[in-house]
Amino acid sequence: AQSVTQLGSHVSVSEGALVLLRCNYSSSVPPYLFWYVQYPNQGLQLLLKYTSAATLVKGINGFEAEFKKSETSFHLTKPSAHMSDAAEYFCAVSDRGGGFKTIFGAGTRLFVKA
Amino acid sequence: DAEITQSPRHKITETGRQVTLACHQTWNHNNMFWYRQDLGHGLRLIHYSYGVQDTNKGEVSDGYSVSRSNTEDLPLTLESAASSQTSVYFCASSESPGTGGEQYFGPGTRLTVT
Repeated sequence: AQSVTQLGSHVSVSEGALVLLRCNYSSSVPPYLFWYVQYPNQGLQLLLKYTSAATLVKGINGFEAEFKKSETSFHLTKPSAHMSDAAEYFCAVSDRGGGFKTIFGAGTRLFVKA
Repeated sequence: DAEITQSPRHKITETGRQVTLACHQTWNHNNMFWYRQDLGHGLRLIHYSYGVQDTNKGEVSDGYSVSRSNTEDLPLTLESAASSQTSVYFCASSESPGTGGEQYFGPGTRLTVT
């Protein structure tokens, strides 16, 4: 069975500081991994995805994530936080690809302080 | 532009009543999903469909049903609403790519069961 654990339900950073959101996964097969973002009162939208190509994946809005098989991790980073990054972020895993059944983590709410 | 819509956006109902939430997509996607979002749990999969006449149970399917009679629609029915089903419900759709892919989410329906 697949699962996703996001470490920290809330993360607070100052504007301009590094953003680091942690995600660990469990999968019996090579996984497809995703980060989605949710702004208030909206649905989720894809930030980036790992599909067994490059282990460092770049997404929208300056975010990137690195797949580390040995650590079963897929942490999300951004060098410099912006106020507009305040949102909830979800890590997700699938064994067949993002278009198929996908398991989501509990989410991490990012707060950005001025 | 293609989109995925949900209706109603807000619904208040009484315990024991049958409720149907609508989901309609104009992407012509084969795959459709229903999730519920609750604080601390992230998104949990209720039901999903990989094509017309195909439906599958997700991790929290008890008390819910779906039917897929065409490509565009996947209505979610709560057979006898319970207070535990108070939640925000999201519908999503996706293509069936060989790898990768992503899900496109609707804006959500906030359901309150009193």
